[in-house]
Amino acid sequence: SQQGEEDPQALSIQEGENATMNCSYKTSINNLQWYRQNSGRGLVHLILIRSNEREKHSGRLRVTLDTSKKSSSLLITASRAADTASYFCATDAKTSYDKVIFGPGTSLSVIP
Amino acid sequence: DVKVTQSSRYLVKRTGEKVFLECVQDMDHENMFWYRQDPGLGLRLIYFSYDVKMKEKGDIPEGYSVSREKKERFSLILESASTNQTSMYLCASTSQQGGAEKLFFGSGTQLSVL
Repeated sequence: SQQGEEDPQALSIQEGENATMNCSYKTSINNLQWYRQNSGRGLVHLILIRSNEREKHSGRLRVTLDTSKKSSSLLITASRAADTASYFCATDAKTSYDKVIFGPGTSLSVIP
Repeated sequence: DVKVTQSSRYLVKRTGEKVFLECVQDMDHENMFWYRQDPGLGLRLIYFSYDVKMKEKGDIPEGYSVSREKKERFSLILESASTNQTSMYLCASTSQQGGAEKLFFGSGTQLSVL
């Protein structure tokens, strides 16, 4: 069973707009991570937020975490065509924290 | 930079064949993972390993086995390939023992079983 679920499954925006993706998970976590995947390639780590953190920034990325709702959001500001990719959240359940589980991902298209 | 290398980018095999997918990392990471990725299902964990000769089942281990004889190498074995194992296979590694953070991924192996 999957720990994380992203929403929406697909998102299409114009260049310059902000993109928001959401992730929900089921069990308590140590941390939550977001990854990006360009078509046909491996995943690249974007940002990690720990269970005792509520918000984190990295460049144009902003991640929030609400452990009471078991949800996270990834905001990409001022999107660029090069941001077109799939984005995945990943969690490590507290019961087995060597095990990292990914959601099905959000496919983002940024139209120039 | 950390490098995770998967031996093949594309692989075509016949039903019933024994298939070996190799993964090597060059940063002395303790944890290594094998995932498969299918459209609409995201990444599903097959097996992971936190030390040499140690392995743990993931969510979908059936039909697969793994081998970790050396710290840098983690092999995924399909004992008797079937068409439903056609998929993209992704290997990953991370340096955190007791708390997997920031996985580094290989480029993936697209396996087709005919």
